[in-house]
Amino acid sequence: ETGVTQSPTHLIKTRGQQVTLRCSSQSGHNTVSWYQQALGQGPQFIFQYYREEENGRGNFPPRFSGLQFPNYSSELNVNALELDDSALYLCASSLTGTGHGYTFGSGTRLTVV
Amino acid sequence: AQKVTQAQTEISVVEKEDVTLDCVYETRDTTYYLFWYKQPPSGELVFLIRRNSFDEQNEISGRYSWNFQKSTSSFNFTITASQVVDSAVYFCALSELNNSGGSNYKLTFGKGTLLTVNP
Repeated sequence: ETGVTQSPTHLIKTRGQQVTLRCSSQSGHNTVSWYQQALGQGPQFIFQYYREEENGRGNFPPRFSGLQFPNYSSELNVNALELDDSALYLCASSLTGTGHGYTFGSGTRLTVV
Repeated sequence: AQKVTQAQTEISVVEKEDVTLDCVYETRDTTYYLFWYKQPPSGELVFLIRRNSFDEQNEISGRYSWNFQKSTSSFNFTITASQVVDSAVYFCALSELNNSGGSNYKLTFGKGTLLTVNP
């Protein structure tokens, strides 16, 4: 049983650019959630995808968008990057309806300069 | 709105000491889940425990134990005989049960407690 895989591990972008982060969910999981963790803070919920549709969103602007694919993998896209977008982005997969916890990936460390 | 408070920002102990990490939560839901996660320097969040709001039994797993008290909205975590490998940031989190077909809706995390266990 594979865990959650995120790519890339680290990324440096310039303010105003766009970025795409990728996540492969754990085998058997059909729901993917994305979290942003700023330095010294707890993770903040960005959004969740289930059946390839957004299934809930946190307090993030529309320039944060996502996709879920038929194989349950997911992408997080951020447009018009700002310095404050620098953070660790965590992906978590889970199986809907079971009440089980999430399995988190190791994250993508995004630095915006 | 949901809220999780971890009042202890940093705790430092000497190996073999017992240590308790506090967690207080707020929610208007009657059905919810509580979690503890460990985050080592590598960044991955490691799942430790999940409790549902209807199960107030305390739980013990090896050196770890959890005390869930609904009356005080607390879900505290105790490490007995701490070890250097326990050094990490520990997060308490709260999740509402999503009844519209999705999985557990979203996790609301506390700010975390940095635990340092010194040899």
